[in-house]
Amino acid sequence: EPEVTQTPSHQVTQMGQEVILRCVPISNHLYFYWYRQILGQKVEFLVSFYNNEISEKSEIFDDQFSVERPDGSNFTLKIRSTKLEDSAMYFCASSEYRVVDTQYFGPGTRLTVL
Amino acid sequence: AQKVTQAQTEISVVEKEDVTLDCVYETRDTTYYLFWYKQPPSGELVFLIRRNSFDEQNEISGRYSWNFQKSTSSFNFTITASQVVDSAVYFCALSEAGGGADGLTFGKGTHLIIQP
Repeated sequence: EPEVTQTPSHQVTQMGQEVILRCVPISNHLYFYWYRQILGQKVEFLVSFYNNEISEKSEIFDDQFSVERPDGSNFTLKIRSTKLEDSAMYFCASSEYRVVDTQYFGPGTRLTVL
Repeated sequence: AQKVTQAQTEISVVEKEDVTLDCVYETRDTTYYLFWYKQPPSGELVFLIRRNSFDEQNEISGRYSWNFQKSTSSFNFTITASQVVDSAVYFCALSEAGGGADGLTFGKGTHLIIQP
């Protein structure tokens, strides 16, 4: 069964460093998303991406964040200068269609900022 | 704006008991979708069900069943004859099709503990 994959599973970084989180969405899916979950809290939408551009972003997704689809399979989330409060689980998701379709989530990347 | 409320923070039951997880939502859209996801201790989010706002039929899948009632804006999830493997955090989520929002709005989750 096709699945969304994410690497790395755990990333530890120093405050102020740049991190790139990687995702490989399900191959026939056209819409890609990033969500984050601060430990013990609910899952929050960050950004959606379609046709090589951002479709929608939340208030959390400020100038420190960027997304990219560098090739035909990968979808990345970059945090330019990490802060302590960026520590969270980051989930990538993909769907075949927008909104009306089910979003399938990857296993997540746990980001720890020291 | 849309909102999902899962009032039960934690539920603990003994194996084989039935348990219902509550989900109440708010939306101004007439077309929307409701979801349940399971987050086991390993951390991934596992899709369980999607229901659109025009389909109020209850759904059963094995030991799982869902009760969607538009009149009370609720989409409750029942596990029958619970098992230890059902222990997880369960999230209810909402997507507004008409409003054009891409992101799912999640509730805070219910931590379900099934004791042997």
